[in-house]
Amino acid sequence: AQTVTQSQPEMSVQEAETVTLSCTYDTSESDYYLFWYKQPPSRQMILVIRQEAYKQQNATENRFSVNFQKAAKSFSLKISDSQLGDAAMYFCALQNQAGTALIFGKGTTLSVSS
Amino acid sequence: DGGITQSPKYLFRKEGQNVTLSCEQNLNHDAMYWYRQDPGQGLRLIYYSQIVNDFQKGDIAEGYSVSREKKESFPLTVTSAQKNPTAFYLCASQDWFTGELFFGEGSRLTVL
Repeated sequence: AQTVTQSQPEMSVQEAETVTLSCTYDTSESDYYLFWYKQPPSRQMILVIRQEAYKQQNATENRFSVNFQKAAKSFSLKISDSQLGDAAMYFCALQNQAGTALIFGKGTTLSVSS
Repeated sequence: DGGITQSPKYLFRKEGQNVTLSCEQNLNHDAMYWYRQDPGQGLRLIYYSQIVNDFQKGDIAEGYSVSREKKESFPLTVTSAQKNPTAFYLCASQDWFTGELFFGEGSRLTVL
């Protein structure tokens, strides 16, 4: 069975600073997809970043980047130059392969202070 | 605009009643999902469907039922057998090529 663990229920960061959210996962597959989703107070889920397991290069999207460690089954999200609008709940998710369900972690609530 | 539409946004139900939450998509996606969100629990999978007329149970399917008669629609029925149905429900469809999920705005169900 696949599992996703987010060990930080809450994190905080000051504006313009950098924060890293942790995620570990477990799967017996070698090919899979990893995602970070953001859920702001509006509760609309938005994709932040996506990583394919066969790609060694870490994905980046503007201020968001990941540290993907396949052997350690770790997939952390780094947010640089944090902004007030980054305040949200962040979910890590895993999908083994096409045709299987996408599974989420329990989420990390990020607070951003000015 | 393409997207996922969930209705109603808010729903109140008396104990013992079945209710159906609607989910419609116009993104031409084959796969659709239903998740339940509770505080501190993240998103838990109720049911998912990879194709019309086929669906699979997720981790917490007991007390729920679904149908997938059309590609665009994946309604969820919360039955009276669901012991604790008060929650926020999210529907999503999935882009097969990227794996990305596209979510609706959610439905908040409260049992009185």
